Amino acid sequence: NAGVTQTPKFQVLKTGQSMTLQCAQDMNHEYMSWYRQDPGMGLRLIHYSVGAGITDQGEVPNGYNVSRSTTEDFPLRLLSAAPSQTSVYFCASSYRPGSKNIQYFGAGTRLSVL
Amino acid sequence: KQEVTQIPAALSVPEGENLVLNCSFTDSAIYNLQWFRQDPGKGLTSLLLIQSSQREQTSGRLNASLDKSSGRSTLYIAASQPGDSATYLCAVGAGSNYKLTFGKGTLLTVNP
Repeated sequence: NAGVTQTPKFQVLKTGQSMTLQCAQDMNHEYMSWYRQDPGMGLRLIHYSVGAGITDQGEVPNGYNVSRSTTEDFPLRLLSAAPSQTSVYFCASSYRPGSKNIQYFGAGTRLSVL
Repeated sequence: KQEVTQIPAALSVPEGENLVLNCSFTDSAIYNLQWFRQDPGKGLTSLLLIQSSQREQTSGRLNASLDKSSGRSTLYIAASQPGDSATYLCAVGAGSNYKLTFGKGTLLTVNP
């Protein structure tokens, strides 16, 4: 059982480049989300999805795009990378939104924007 | 806006000691509270989840309590081991779409 899989694990970008961080889960979870983790800031929610075709903004959505065309996949797109987007990105999923459902996290993507 | 605070930011203890990590939150209208463990360079692993209607949860040497009215949770680790060394994060779930708000974590070091 793979759980939540994130690719790539590491990435270096130049300012202005675009890229897509991939996230896939094989647990048939409805709820998926993206966080960024920065030193001294903790984890902050970027975007989330409560099911295929439904996405919404979190706390820090600017500069990021998401889509959810299937239950399994929830890619995060950086349209024009900026140094402020240097961070560790985590994807998470849970069965559905609710009080009983724990969140499962991927191993993260470490992104540097030069 | 929900704010989650974890105290202390770092803790160093000798092996075998019992210890308590603290988490406080400002808005008591939560669905649940989760404690996570994060090893260096790795993702988060859920340790315990306490629903808002519950007072505590236990798993092995770990016990988490929740006092929703006072906005506090504690994670108790019994008989600590060097393998317990990690960052421990607490997060509260709240809102119409169940968003998680995280604390900044407590870095625990257990010395042999």
